[in-house]
Amino acid sequence: SQQGEEDPQALSIQEGENATMNCSYKTSINNLQWYRQNSGRGLVHLILIRSNEREKHSGRLRVTLDTSKKSSSLLITASRAADTASYFCATDPRTGAGSYQLTFGKGTKLSVIP
Amino acid sequence: NAGVMQNPRHLVRRRGQEARLRCSPMKGHSHVYWYRQLPEEGLKFMVYLQKENIIDESGMPKERFSAEFPKEGPSILRIQQVVRGDSAAYFCASSPNRVDTGELFFGEGSRLTVL
Repeated sequence: SQQGEEDPQALSIQEGENATMNCSYKTSINNLQWYRQNSGRGLVHLILIRSNEREKHSGRLRVTLDTSKKSSSLLITASRAADTASYFCATDPRTGAGSYQLTFGKGTKLSVIP
Repeated sequence: NAGVMQNPRHLVRRRGQEARLRCSPMKGHSHVYWYRQLPEEGLKFMVYLQKENIIDESGMPKERFSAEFPKEGPSILRIQQVVRGDSAAYFCASSPNRVDTGELFFGEGSRLTVL
């Protein structure tokens, strides 16, 4: 089953607005990562937040993590047309044997209208 | 410093043929991961390899699929006797350390179409 589930599935906003995407997961994690994928391309890492962190910033990106609710959010401020892409959260489930795989959600498709 | 290189970018095969997908990790990276992505879906983990070792193949179908990462040369994902359901984008990723310590670096993917 999917470890991470993004919400909403699709989001359309005007350029300059903020975009917020949410991710929920099921098991304890070591870290949570957000990736971006432009149509027909590979994934690009955006930001990683560890389980003992609550908030992290990187440029126009702000990520929060609430381990008690098993959820994370990605905020993109002052969006640009170039931000149009699919955004995925990926979790690294914590297991006793060590974790070897990231588990991805289905993604949020963001459209930023110029 | 070149990124993760995958080839071919596009591959068309008829049912029953074999598909070989290649991945050269980033320089200095010894951990390689293969993922599969169906249209409008997220990525599904298939296999994790280090040089000459398969560490975790729990996401790979037991039949027809195999992966290797030899001492010299790229990692190869091999699909024998392809079926239409194998049509997907296959992504390779690499990392310098195990994934629970950092990010993955992805290639541009190989898109397999089975006729």
